[in-house]
Amino acid sequence: SQTIHQWPATLVQPVGSPLSLECTVEGTSNPNLYWYRQAAGRGLQLLFYSVGIGQISSEVPQNLSASRPQDRQFILSSKKLLLSDSGFYLCAWSDFRNPYEQYFGPGTRLTVT
Amino acid sequence: AQTVTQSQPEMSVQEAETVTLSCTYDTSESDYYLFWYKQPPSRQMILVIRQEAYKQQNATENRFSVNFQKAAKSFSLKISDSQLGDAAMYFCAYRSGEYTGTASKLTFGTGTRLQVTL
Repeated sequence: SQTIHQWPATLVQPVGSPLSLECTVEGTSNPNLYWYRQAAGRGLQLLFYSVGIGQISSEVPQNLSASRPQDRQFILSSKKLLLSDSGFYLCAWSDFRNPYEQYFGPGTRLTVT
Repeated sequence: AQTVTQSQPEMSVQEAETVTLSCTYDTSESDYYLFWYKQPPSRQMILVIRQEAYKQQNATENRFSVNFQKAAKSFSLKISDSQLGDAAMYFCAYRSGEYTGTASKLTFGTGTRLQVTL
């Protein structure tokens, strides 16, 4: 069966520091991968998605970036964090053969101080 | 652009009773998918149920069922025989039927917090 992992689970970082969040998927090949952010009291907003290695599409402009160095690895990064980057970050995957359902990881709680 | 609206920030239901969560959406597309996701205190999003717009029959998954009204652009979730474990945030989500680029994203509502009481 497929599983999705995210780490770290929680992170507290000062403003201006770099960020790296990692997401990996097991049990499938060539998944579509997504990064979402959930702000307090809101639904999820898509940040990035990827249909293959090195293929990244950005949904909203921000100081975040994403990379996909391996088939089942998706990384969210920032060179300098802002206070507004605080939130709950969720990675999701979908099967390229059945892309209409997305399955989410456990998420990372990021607090920028 | 598609929008999803959940007008009930909070709902409460007694254990073993039935509750209905509301969701409306706006789209100009004819082919799309609708979902209900559950987010328990652990914060992990769990897919509860899916409805294809081209299907007239309402989807059902055990105690969870939907009332899909395509003309009214309404997609409500009914939870029967509510259990304490059903307490969570519930999000309605929309996905285009196209599979090209940004169409693959899920558009979420703001959620409904469901409390289950004894």
